[in-house]
Formats: sequence, C-alpha cells, structure tokens
Amino acid sequence: SAVISQKPSRDICQRGTSLTIQCQVDSQVTMMFWYRQQPGQSLTLIATANQGSEATYESGFVIDKFPISRPNLTFSTLTVSNMSPEDSSIYLCSVWNPVTYGYTFGSGTRLTVV
Amino acid sequence: GQSLEQPSEVTAVEGAIVQINCTYQTSGFYGLSWYQQHDGGAPTFLSYNGLDGLEETGRFSSFLSRSDSYGYLLLQELQMKDSASYFCAVSNSGGYQKVTFGTGTKLQVIP
Repeated sequence: SAVISQKPSRDICQRGTSLTIQCQVDSQVTMMFWYRQQPGQSLTLIATANQGSEATYESGFVIDKFPISRPNLTFSTLTVSNMSPEDSSIYLCSVWNPVTYGYTFGSGTRLTVV
Repeated sequence: GQSLEQPSEVTAVEGAIVQINCTYQTSGFYGLSWYQQHDGGAPTFLSYNGLDGLEETGRFSSFLSRSDSYGYLLLQELQMKDSASYFCAVSNSGGYQKVTFGTGTKLQVIP
C-alpha cells in the first residue's frame, strides 16, 4: 500500500495566522482526502483533492478557510487559514487503496491554536 | 443522512475475546470497514466487508449483515497492544469509496 509522508507533525500557532500542511505520497494517486479529527472525536472529511481540478468540499467546510492545492499526482497541501482555537485538531491526509478497499493515512498534524 | 453507532468504551481482559458492534443507517450502502487508532497515532486499516459474512485476518475478524445494517469486529487472544480506538466506516459509493466514520470505540485491555 501507499506510504504517505505528512508534515509538520505538530505545530502551535497564534490565532489569526495560517498553517500549510503537506502530504507526499510514494505513488501516483487520483484522489487525496483531507480529514479533521477533533480531540476525542471521530474523523470528519474536509475535502477531496483531485489533481488538476478544484477540491470538493464537504458540508461545513469552505475553500476560503481550508484552501487545498493538488499540483501533481503525488502531492497535496491543506492550509488552515485565519486560525482560531476551534481549529485545534489533528489533520490527516489519506489515499484509498483499490485493492484492499481501505484508506492509508498520513501520520497526522496535531495543531494547537493559542 | 448517514449515522453509525458504536459503543463508546469496552474493557476486556488480556487473552480474552471481544466484539465491537457497529450499526448503521445510510443510503447507497457499499461496504463496511474497520480502523484501529492508537493514542497519538494515525488510523490504520484493519478490514473491509463488501459482502455478508465473516472475514478473518489473523486474530481479527469482521462480520457484516446487510439485511440488519449491522457489523462487528471480533478481536481474539487480546493483547495489551490492542488497547486503542476502533472505528467502523461505511462506504456509500462504488467508485473511490468515500467513507463516513463512526464515533469510535475505545478498547481497554487489562491484565
């Protein structure tokens, strides 16, 4: 299965600033998925990123707050913009394995906004 | 809409067997998968059931009943390292398998 390198692993940011999270996959994939996991909670899909097209956002998430780039088939970034303490979460990128029907996740970015 | 229900916490003894249930309500159901997540770690894929019945992978087995909108994860010969959160997830499309995750079950294995 694919291996995903995600960085940064954690960060503490001031409110009002932005943080860009990067994910690099060791193979080409059509779609990459960005999730948020608030403390002690389940995973919520933020958006699906296709190469060469605009990301598709889930209800409750907007491009101005979470802009996504997908410049090629192995790389994607998620930016958390104008951060507030409510954005403190773990952010995860993932790719789907069509053989196992399972998702492989990056190691996650633990974000704390102060 | 979609909803998945799991018990929030389960405690079991090392060496024993534990079953974690998942009931779901969704439109266009395609399959049920399970993920393990240790504290501070990322979720890791355990199993997928697209058809009714039992799938076995080592000490872990997963079951699906489409007619009952129900599945479970069975962990045998529990080890301390199995202490983690377990999430069921429903797929509702046959393409890239967009999934919705359940609320998670925190399993504590005690000596």
